[in-house]
Amino acid sequence: QKEVEQDPGPLSVPEGAIVSLNCTYSNSAFQYFMWYRQYSRKGPELLMYTYSSGNKEDGRFTAQVDKSSKYISLFIRDSQPSDSATYLCAMRENTGNQFYFGTGTSLTVIP
Amino acid sequence: DTGVSQDPRHKITKRGQNVTFRCDPISEHNRLYWYRQTLGQGPEFLTYFQNEAQLEKSRLLSDRFSAERPKGSFSTLEIQRTEQGDSAMYLCASSPRVHGELFFGEGSRLTVL
Repeated sequence: QKEVEQDPGPLSVPEGAIVSLNCTYSNSAFQYFMWYRQYSRKGPELLMYTYSSGNKEDGRFTAQVDKSSKYISLFIRDSQPSDSATYLCAMRENTGNQFYFGTGTSLTVIP
Repeated sequence: DTGVSQDPRHKITKRGQNVTFRCDPISEHNRLYWYRQTLGQGPEFLTYFQNEAQLEKSRLLSDRFSAERPKGSFSTLEIQRTEQGDSAMYLCASSPRVHGELFFGEGSRLTVL
């Protein structure tokens, strides 16, 4: 079993829709959670960074962490064609140096 | 541009050749990471530096791979005797603090023919 599981999609939504992206994980020691956006042939770009459980909002993006269920989500409101990309979740323990990534979910927002 | 810089962006080489990638992290970041990403997969950890010290290496980093970070500034990742299975995107990232997030460069794409 992988440390981090993420549905690869692809996910296709109409412009303006609310998008929900999710990851599950098995390691209860994970404390720091991140979401990255990656355009084709580019490096990942940090979108959200959260610690432990709870919600964090930044513009059209909301990150949720439910540590009891080992489940994290990223919501994108009023989705735009420019949001079309692969979204990667990542997480790490309080100790240790490694970040563990999901495989990414491919999202297409149709104008 | 004050982001993470990687060079070259794309390298095509023949099997058996050596290749070297360079990474310049964000200047105030003393933590530097190398990851490898293949198509349809998330980044996989290769190695980690804190300043000039290489503190952790993945099992993925075979004897043909070596990374350095002299003087704790830029870093190089060398792959010797490349194999077709080495074809991937090599990503460098830096982090500003102990529990900080990763900031990635644009990656160096390696194609081994």
